[in-house]
Amino acid sequence: KQEVTQIPAALSVPEGENLVLNCSFTDSAIYNLQWFRQDPGKGLTSLLLIQSSQREQTSGRLNASLDKSSGRSTLYIAASQPGDSATYLCAVGSNDYKLSFGAGTTVTVRA
Amino acid sequence: DTAVSQTPKYLVTQMGNDKSIKCEQNLGHDTMYWYKQDSKKFLKIMFSYNNKELIINETVPNRFSPKSPDKAHLNLHINSLELGDSAVYFCASTDQPGEAFFGQGTRLTVV
Repeated sequence: KQEVTQIPAALSVPEGENLVLNCSFTDSAIYNLQWFRQDPGKGLTSLLLIQSSQREQTSGRLNASLDKSSGRSTLYIAASQPGDSATYLCAVGSNDYKLSFGAGTTVTVRA
Repeated sequence: DTAVSQTPKYLVTQMGNDKSIKCEQNLGHDTMYWYKQDSKKFLKIMFSYNNKELIINETVPNRFSPKSPDKAHLNLHINSLELGDSAVYFCASTDQPGEAFFGQGTRLTVV
């Protein structure tokens, strides 16, 4: 059974600082890994999708890396802004169609 | 155009009632899911359908019954609602290994 862990559970940084969010998973036989953002009371917004054959993906200020062999992914957010405050969720896709989620990292960016 | 839409967005009902949540996706995806997000914000998979066939059925009380009339729709019917069923229910779709897209969620409150 795939177990997904996200560390830290919460993070508070001043505006402009870079953010580093970690995700680890127990079974390296993954299909893909996806990072989501969830604002309070809202749905999930997809940020980045990394296929199992890829090492990283970038979109604007966001960069996500994947190291399948060590069971880790890291989401980097450069030059954080107050609008980046949200919960960030890591989800691991397996060949059995399951998408397993971590508990999330709640980010607060202070103006 | 909303990719994955759920109705209703909010549902308040009394214990013992039966209720349904509807989900539709216009992305042409083959796979759809129901997830439950509990009070601690953890997302847990409940069911998944691929081309109208049930492929994932996690340990969920049999009071919960999914139905997929076609591959664009996945509904969730809940019988004899209990207080512990209060949560946010999310529908999602994907065309693995592509991105998963989530609906805005249905906040169910059982009183």
